Amino acid sequence: DTEVTQTPKHLVMGMTNKKSLKCEQHMGHRAMYWYKQKAKKPPELMFVYSYEKLSINESVPSRFSPECPNSSLLNLHLHALQPEDSALYLCASSRLPGRLSYEQYFGPGTRLTVT
Amino acid sequence: SQQGEEDPQALSIQEGENATMNCSYKTSINNLQWYRQNSGRGLVHLILIRSNEREKHSGRLRVTLDTSKKSSSLLITASRAADTASYFCATDGAWETSGSRLTFGEGTQLTVNP
Repeated sequence: DTEVTQTPKHLVMGMTNKKSLKCEQHMGHRAMYWYKQKAKKPPELMFVYSYEKLSINESVPSRFSPECPNSSLLNLHLHALQPEDSALYLCASSRLPGRLSYEQYFGPGTRLTVT
Repeated sequence: SQQGEEDPQALSIQEGENATMNCSYKTSINNLQWYRQNSGRGLVHLILIRSNEREKHSGRLRVTLDTSKKSSSLLITASRAADTASYFCATDGAWETSGSRLTFGEGTQLTVNP
């Protein structure tokens, strides 16, 4: 199974709401990633988890709070977002790099609209 | 920050023709990867070429890497309408054991006309 699943597919939320995005993989990958992608732009890395611990935070505002409850699940908690946070949020996973690094497997994304 | 630039930004060809996309980058890399994205959906990994490799093939795909010029190219042969998508190169510059840090290029929008 080489699938990464993400829920929900679409999310509309107000600026005062709290919501969560979910991601799941069953490939045994111990690295998981959150990316943000604006329309017609490339994905931008937000967070990296390694062995369920946050290893890279690309200076993301605190209104985005990641969580990795176990080796298969990754969540992104959203609170007090701004309209400019509207984007496609992509989750990915990969084998942990050592001497070599590996390709990433992406989920289909959550299309987020902040009103 | 983005270090990859792709050329061209958009490419329109007829079915059966070959499509070539180019990618340039600025810093040293561990490997370079190419991904495809259909209509704002998830990215699909196409091919990974390591810094000590010069050329790699996968089906109708051919990737070259020139580390002296910090550039790569993706060739799709005998294109099909289903190849219509955005294509991104991504560089992986770190030997980090904490996870890869991919930096994506701006992408090329390929349209293959039936």
